[in-house]
Amino acid sequence: KNQVEQSPQSLIILEGKNCTLQCNYTVSPFSNLRWYKQDTGRGPVSLTIMTFSENTKSNGRYTATLDADTKQSSLHITASQLSDSASYICVVSETGGSYIPTFGRGTSLIVHP
Amino acid sequence: KAGVTQTPRYLIKTRGQQVTLSCSPISGHRSVSWYQQTPGQGLQFLFEYFSETQRNKGNFPGRFSGRQFSNSRSEMNVSTLELGDSALYLCASRSGQKDTQYFGPGTRLTVL
Repeated sequence: KNQVEQSPQSLIILEGKNCTLQCNYTVSPFSNLRWYKQDTGRGPVSLTIMTFSENTKSNGRYTATLDADTKQSSLHITASQLSDSASYICVVSETGGSYIPTFGRGTSLIVHP
Repeated sequence: KAGVTQTPRYLIKTRGQQVTLSCSPISGHRSVSWYQQTPGQGLQFLFEYFSETQRNKGNFPGRFSGRQFSNSRSEMNVSTLELGDSALYLCASRSGQKDTQYFGPGTRLTVL
């Protein structure tokens, strides 16, 4: 069964600090991995999309990495801001014609001043 | 460019009733996907439509159905509502299968 596991479940950091969120998956065959940011009460917003051949993808202060061999991804947030407080969701899609996505449960990040 | 819009934003129904939710994708996007989000299960994929055809379907009972119109607008229907159907229903659109997906604000459905 396809699964996506995220850690930690929640994280509290001080403004200005860096943090790294983890995503492990068992989805196969692999198509792509996406990281989303979801603010409370809003729909998710795409941060990065990575395919099998991509190791790193950046979007401003957000940098995602992918190790397709170990089936692990990380999202690194640099110089955190209060507006980074949100849920970060890892989504892995399978290929083979279906592209059905499997979602992680998300990491809840709180940035304190 | 206007974003993905969903109507209604909030809905309260009772068990056994049926409900229809609507989604208008970003102009030019032909793919529309629907998702259910609950505190217990997180985000789960319901189905995807492309050019009026259902392309993919998640693991949900037949009470959940959808359709897409020629203008790419999509509707989702849930029949014989159960308490467990209470959730945030999100719609997302994109140009192609490997492109960025844009989510709407969601419809919050409460089943009493």
